[in-house]
Amino acid sequence: QVQLVQSGAEVKKPGASVKVSCKASGYNFTRNGISWVRQAPGQGLQWMGWNSAYNGNTNYAQQVQGRVTMTTDTSTSTAYMELRSLRSDDTAVYYCARDLRLSNWKGVQNWFDPWGQGTLVTVSS
Amino acid sequence: SYELTQPLSVSVALGQTARITCGGNNIGSKNVHWYQQKPGQAPVLVIYTDSNRPSGIPERFSGSNSGNTATLTISRAQAGDEADYYCQVWDSSTGAVFGTGTKVTVL
Repeated sequence: QVQLVQSGAEVKKPGASVKVSCKASGYNFTRNGISWVRQAPGQGLQWMGWNSAYNGNTNYAQQVQGRVTMTTDTSTSTAYMELRSLRSDDTAVYYCARDLRLSNWKGVQNWFDPWGQGTLVTVSS
Repeated sequence: SYELTQPLSVSVALGQTARITCGGNNIGSKNVHWYQQKPGQAPVLVIYTDSNRPSGIPERFSGSNSGNTATLTISRAQAGDEADYYCQVWDSSTGAVFGTGTKVTVL
């Protein structure tokens, strides 16, 4: 079955960087992109960006543009998300998700299935 | 930027029907997807492209989308349906946009 398995929890100090991994299995990794979504404690879901596993193209959300880098390693079917200059409000659970896409009369549509189990990143001095 | 508004909470009696709305400007012109998230777990896709169910999702879950409102309907609600539910669209300018989330309680 399609599965995404993420790396473990991290504790970082303000100003540091974190890199979260997401290993995919059960499908052809290069046929879909990977999106990253985060959820602060008690809050809703926030999309951070998308990375094509086919050609490496990226599309980052404005809120994290300039601090985030998303990459993929097709040799190991693994996606990575690095977030730099961490602040306390970056404390959240970070999820990777397989990006599904189609074009119809409503335009380009993207949705996410399945999701990784999540990685808690805590930013604290 | 595009915004999606959901009610904070919805309560439903066991066995009855719950309807969760997702409001957005002319949302009917976009495809809406719905996710269920139980405490401490990752979100799970329950409806995609307005009204399609992924394999393994019960027929009790259905979706519709028209005008300025999309709706997720849970028929014959069960205790296991208690969760947070999020709608999501793709906006060509900003990427994926999630709704504010709705907590469903089964009484």
